[in-house]
Amino acid sequence: DGGITQSPKYLFRKEGQNVTLSCEQNLNHDAMYWYRQDPGQGLRLIYYSQIVNDFQKGDIAEGYSVSREKKESFPLTVTSAQKNPTAFYLCASSVPGQEAEAFFGQGTRLTVV
Amino acid sequence: GNSVTQMEGPVTLSEEAFLTINCTYTATGYPSLFWYVQYPGEGLQLLLKATKADDKGSNKGFEATYRKETTSFHLEKGSVQVSDSAVYFCALIQGGSNYKLTFGKGTLLTVNP
Repeated sequence: DGGITQSPKYLFRKEGQNVTLSCEQNLNHDAMYWYRQDPGQGLRLIYYSQIVNDFQKGDIAEGYSVSREKKESFPLTVTSAQKNPTAFYLCASSVPGQEAEAFFGQGTRLTVV
Repeated sequence: GNSVTQMEGPVTLSEEAFLTINCTYTATGYPSLFWYVQYPGEGLQLLLKATKADDKGSNKGFEATYRKETTSFHLEKGSVQVSDSAVYFCALIQGGSNYKLTFGKGTLLTVNP
């Protein structure tokens, strides 16, 4: 079945550590996105990529980094510079275009301990 | 920039009640409009969409009409069920903005039997 897979589902990080969240899709979509979800804040865009080897900052990119070396993969690294990383992270993919539906993964809940 | 404003929750209804969740937007030109739904512990999935003025999107008994004159896309359902309990997000994509998907903050709906 085609879909978008995020791993792990739960992740615990010590303060000062970098962690990488995985996002893989087999939908052959060019565009991929990372969102952060906090209670009462909705979804805020961290980074997005419209094509391999290219990506742009979203609204809250500070403290995060991404890469897009393969079409199917868009990993997100939460660095130690991110001051409040505890949140629910959602990855999405779509065909680029104004009418395109975005497909979401199941999310990764990151907790700093 | 683009923005989406939706009614504050939470919304609590009894089964078979009528549902309205208000959504208004700010954008230049003619964005595409979406409603996404998030069930507990999951990612988002598309509920319905409309891509031009006066279009009506519908799915699973939910409807929303793209109103350019009032910049609105209110979600309605005539008779809600317990299984409709979820968080609902209004969103838009603006052409020429690298097709970024911009979300509202979400509205939690709880339907009691």
